Amino acid sequence: QVQLQESGPGLVKPSGTLSLTCAVSGGSISSSNWWSWVRQPPGKGLEWIGEIYHSGSTNYNPSLKSRVTISVDKSKNQFSLKLSSVTAADTAVYYCARIRVGAGISPWGQGTLVTVSS
Amino acid sequence: EIVMTQSPATLSVSPGERATLSCRASQSVSSNLAWYQQKPGQAPRLLIYGASTRATGIPARFSGSGSGTEFTLTISSLQSEDFAVYYCQQYNNWSVTFGQGTKVEIK
Repeated sequence: QVQLQESGPGLVKPSGTLSLTCAVSGGSISSSNWWSWVRQPPGKGLEWIGEIYHSGSTNYNPSLKSRVTISVDKSKNQFSLKLSSVTAADTAVYYCARIRVGAGISPWGQGTLVTVSS
Repeated sequence: EIVMTQSPATLSVSPGERATLSCRASQSVSSNLAWYQQKPGQAPRLLIYGASTRATGIPARFSGSGSGTEFTLTISSLQSEDFAVYYCQQYNNWSVTFGQGTKVEIK
């Protein structure tokens, strides 16, 4: 079955750019699904960041849109997140996940904690 | 942006009892509503999608209902492994929003 695994730095300096990659295994990123990033600040709820289709089409959370870029690399079967101008408020566990339209978000990666601190 | 509001914030229930969780959308999302369970240190797990369809492997004690703006997740007889935080989520007009969560705790 499809599995997802996040990777990237666990510590980012304020005003810097957070960069994460999600490797997809057990299935093709070119299947008819959207691929998404969701984050969760410590002790708080879930916040959708955005999604990408294998064609490169993207949708972003309006509150983050000016700072977010999601891209796809079909040759590596992975997709990536870049979040610019980060502050301490961007400290969170970042999850990648598959969105099946009309069928929910599943599966999810295990999540990776990114801390914004100098 | 569609705002999802869950109630109550915390629900105290004894094992074996029924739990009813509510989720309200600020505008109609039709049946584009999903429910997730999250335990500490774990990723969310999809329980229900399409407002009422159980995801693969989800026990029958979990059921979802509703459409439009009012939705309910019912756990018919709480088991020890069901104590967790539950989130509702809508997908509409190429945007996703989550509710703030309901924590189901042992009474």
